[in-house]
Formats: sequence, structure tokens, C-alpha cells
Amino acid sequence: DVKVTQSSRYLVKRTGEKVFLECVQDMDHENMFWYRQDPGLGLRLIYFSYDVKMKEKGDIPEGYSVSREKKERFSLILESASTNQTSMYLCASSRAGTSSTDTQYFGPGTRLTVL
Amino acid sequence: AQSVTQLDSHVSVSEGTPVLLRCNYSSSYSPSLFWYVQHPNKGLQLLLKYTSAATLVKGINGFEAEFKKSETSFHLTKPSAHMSDAAEYFCVVSFKAAGNKLTFGGGTRVLVKP
Repeated sequence: DVKVTQSSRYLVKRTGEKVFLECVQDMDHENMFWYRQDPGLGLRLIYFSYDVKMKEKGDIPEGYSVSREKKERFSLILESASTNQTSMYLCASSRAGTSSTDTQYFGPGTRLTVL
Repeated sequence: AQSVTQLDSHVSVSEGTPVLLRCNYSSSYSPSLFWYVQHPNKGLQLLLKYTSAATLVKGINGFEAEFKKSETSFHLTKPSAHMSDAAEYFCVVSFKAAGNKLTFGGGTRVLVKP
């Protein structure tokens, strides 16, 4: 059974803190993604990675960075958390390939609150 | 640019009655289309996907969706709602020309009344 896990289900941080969100997948997938989910907006892509040490900006990368040192792990970093980054963060992975039909598998999400 | 519109933010149905969730997309290219479901406190799960084969796609848990190119629609239906169908549903579009990135609709929250 495929599995994507995220390090925390709930996280509360203060404005200005550095925040790390961790994601691990056990499916040997090459592609990994970070999204944020806000009511009425669906999911929006922050960053994605097609390979180790490789990253690409998504639609809303401002205020975020990522790290992928190992194939199974993809980290999202908030360098200096702000209140407008309060959101649900979802990690996903998919196998490599150029097909637009590849299924993405999602983790349970981390609900981050920035005070 | 590609976009997805889910026409209802909330849908309320009675158990045993049909469910219809509406989705329209815009694009200049042939899309791949998906429906994902998110149950409370759970990650997103794929319900079904359209990949330019049959226009009527069957998914898990009795759901199906029909791709209508002329209407740029991909509505999701189920003949008889079950209490376990209460969740949020997302219509998603992907294009090879756009790097296969997923674009999500805003979501439809389904309430099932006993």
C-alpha cells in the first residue's frame, strides 16, 4: 500500500520563526510536491521536485524554500513564518514520467498556525 | 492558462438520493482530468481519472464522471449517496503542455443527511 507521511498533523509557531515541514514517501517515487490548501481556493502548488537535489517553483513559492537531499524525503521550509502562511500543507508524490495522467499520492496534511 | 471551476462550494443531499458535483475547465489543450476526495482529517484520495480513452469514467465507491469536450465539463455523479460520501471533492486538470502540473478547483463540500 502506497504511503506518504508528514511529520506533524498540527503545528503552532510564532511570527518570525523558521519552520520545517517534513514529508517522506515509501513508494520510490521520483516526483514530490508541496501544496497549501485554503478554503475556497483548492490546493495551490508551492514547489516540486523531479529528482534529488532538484527543485522547481510552483505557483506560489514566495516565502518558502525546499530541500531534497534524499529521494524519499522532501522538506518545506518557511524561513520566517508570517500569519498569512497559516494554512493546511499537503505533500504528494508520483512516479517519474512525462504523462499528464500520473496519479499523485497525498499525505494527510499538516495544519500550521502562525501566531 | 488552464483553470478549473467547481460550480458549487457546498452540496447537500439525502442518503439514497443522487449526487451531482459540477466541474468546468478551460484550456486550449486536451486535458487529463481527475476527481479527488478528501475525508475529514485525511489526505486526498483519487476517485477517478480521464485520460482520453472512454469519455465515461468509472471510479471507486460507485462514482463516475463524464467528459464532455463540447461543454468543457467533467461532472461527477453517484446514483445513491451514502453517509460515508460526506467529504470535500476536488476537480483537477493536468496538461502535458503545462508540465503535467495539477490545477485544482476550489472544492465542493458534500453533506449527506440521513
